[in-house]
Amino acid sequence: GNSVTQMEGPVTLSEEAFLTINCTYTATGYPSLFWYVQYPGEGLQLLLKATKADDKGSNKGFEATYRKETTSFHLEKGSVQVSDSAVYFCAQNSGGSNYKLTFGKGTLLTVNP
Amino acid sequence: GAVVSQHPSWVICKSGTSVKIECRSLDFQATTMFWYRQFPKQSLMLMATSNEGSKATYEQGVEKDKFLINHASLTLSTLTVTSAHPEDSSFYICSARDPGTAKEAFFGQGTRLTVV
Repeated sequence: GNSVTQMEGPVTLSEEAFLTINCTYTATGYPSLFWYVQYPGEGLQLLLKATKADDKGSNKGFEATYRKETTSFHLEKGSVQVSDSAVYFCAQNSGGSNYKLTFGKGTLLTVNP
Repeated sequence: GAVVSQHPSWVICKSGTSVKIECRSLDFQATTMFWYRQFPKQSLMLMATSNEGSKATYEQGVEKDKFLINHASLTLSTLTVTSAHPEDSSFYICSARDPGTAKEAFFGQGTRLTVV
């Protein structure tokens, strides 16, 4: 079945450090891939997405590239800020629906000044 | 983006009682909402798809009599955990599809349920 495996946290970085959160998936077919972010006390927000192989999603300085050959969608940011502290979830859609998602376990990121 | 509000944010209840969680779409009409559950250090797992005006569709292994879902209007879906037990303690989160932005679902802030 479909699954998502992401790097377990927590991850603690200093401000302006480089961030990578690994995510790999298993799927039948060609899912769309997503990164969601959950700031403290808030709901999940879509951070970025990619709908086909080699697509790069980007938003707020974050990037992730859909790699079919390695079934990966790693999240990167060149210089993190304290305000990036949150839980990050990698996800894929299931059964062709954009709304029915399979999530990874989430990775807690803490950025210190 | 569209706003989905979930209430309450947290609740503590006694074993054997029932708890209702509300999920509202504040600025759009949601024909479909989804309910997820997250155990500590685990993924969010889809529990059921809530369809306005019809019965919910439950995922395999989810007890429909235990987790009652009602989607009586285009802006409100409710999840009732009946006869709650400590093993039902979890984080419940809903999402709603905004037909106006066909490629995205919007999430509520989640409800932390603790059954004592």
